[in-house]
Amino acid sequence: DTAVSQTPKYLVTQMGNDKSIKCEQNLGHDTMYWYKQDSKKFLKIMFSYNNKELIINETVPNRFSPKSPDKAHLNLHINSLELGDSAVYFCASSPLAGASTDTQYFGPGTRLTVL
Amino acid sequence: AQSVAQPEDQVNVAEGNPLTVKCTYSVSGNPYLFWYVQYPNRGLQFLLKYITGDNLVKGSYGFEAEFNKSQTSFHLKKPSALVSDSALYFCAVSTYYGNNRLAFGKGNQVVVIP
Repeated sequence: DTAVSQTPKYLVTQMGNDKSIKCEQNLGHDTMYWYKQDSKKFLKIMFSYNNKELIINETVPNRFSPKSPDKAHLNLHINSLELGDSAVYFCASSPLAGASTDTQYFGPGTRLTVL
Repeated sequence: AQSVAQPEDQVNVAEGNPLTVKCTYSVSGNPYLFWYVQYPNRGLQFLLKYITGDNLVKGSYGFEAEFNKSQTSFHLKKPSALVSDSALYFCAVSTYYGNNRLAFGKGNQVVVIP
């Protein structure tokens, strides 16, 4: 059983398009995250949700909109894609809300390429 | 603000030799420190973490790390490296008031030479 899964694994699209990435966790965790890994492998948090409530919203362009329909799912919608959005996007989850000692478990990543 | 520094870009080590990957941190308050490993085209896998207690933490695949408060360091170690340990290693830190916010270092590429 895959603990944290993401779809699609690869996404190639044109500038200006709108796209979504989906994430699901079957661990029963309360908190989910989106991270962006750039071409230099630098990882930065974008958003986190506790039980469908937005907790962390880093300085991310408002073209990026997370949506959490339930605590097992966190999707990322990106409007008007730009070349600089090309990156690997990782979803993660951790057991408890607000527990900074918790281990975060990562999905396999979605490689987004904007042409 | 919380941050970690991984000073080396790449660590080369011969198979069978000890492996050390360095990490220093900067936080206000007590740090919670983590090591993750990323294999090519894969997600991050958790190796170990320090929350409190014994400064020497043992983790997966024979890795361990030592928390040193005076040097604000949390170096990752393995007594005898394997070729399969070749990967990208990330140190990360969070704090009690951080809302689970993990700040990652830039990563260290480890190359184990047969």
